[in-house]
Amino acid sequence: DAGVIQSPRHEVTEMGQEVTLRCKPISGHNSLFWYRQTMMRGLELLIYFNNNVPIDDSGMPEDRFSAKMPNASFSTLKIQPSEPRDSAVYFCASTSGTSGGNEQFFGPGTRLTVL
Amino acid sequence: AQSVTQPDIHITVSEGASLELRCNYSYGATPYLFWYVQSPGQGLQLLLKYFSGDTLVQGIKGFEAEFKRSQSSFNLRKPSVHWSDAAEYFCAVGHGSGNTGKLIFGQGTTLQVKP
Repeated sequence: DAGVIQSPRHEVTEMGQEVTLRCKPISGHNSLFWYRQTMMRGLELLIYFNNNVPIDDSGMPEDRFSAKMPNASFSTLKIQPSEPRDSAVYFCASTSGTSGGNEQFFGPGTRLTVL
Repeated sequence: AQSVTQPDIHITVSEGASLELRCNYSYGATPYLFWYVQSPGQGLQLLLKYFSGDTLVQGIKGFEAEFKRSQSSFNLRKPSVHWSDAAEYFCAVGHGSGNTGKLIFGQGTTLQVKP
């Protein structure tokens, strides 16, 4: 298996632009998680899906952030408009089952820089 | 609410020395506990996990961790550190079915290895 795939790996954009991050979970996994990692705040859970349905989006910082999972093999995280404080590494992770005992498999991350 | 605390933000050890990274959790029932490692520029990789049974858990790369219920701790250990172990380490707690696999991560501990 190719593991969790994220694209792009690096994104540099200007303030005010729309940014779309993409994630392909491991085939057969039914839960998907979006995290943000910064030096100041560490690893933060933004939103997670189970069977393509958003379960908890309480970690989404504000309305500029939105996430979708149109099918079991694809998810997007969109920021519109982007701001410099959104600069971070964004990780996608997936897992199978609904137990908290299941390992989450992480993608390599997307490093976002907003100028 | 569940929480995870890693008291040490940064630790430096000499190559060949022993290592212990601390993790304390807050959870009402028996938790699922994890240690992940993040090498620079990479996603998180699972080192080991504890569900039940033997409280001493063996993981990859020569790591082990011990679950101590009385101390609400799950400390990570390695008898002899290698330069390649320099990375950031995250402790995480998950809980039972119905929670869709969500994990709560600690703030992370950065390990530096001196030659």
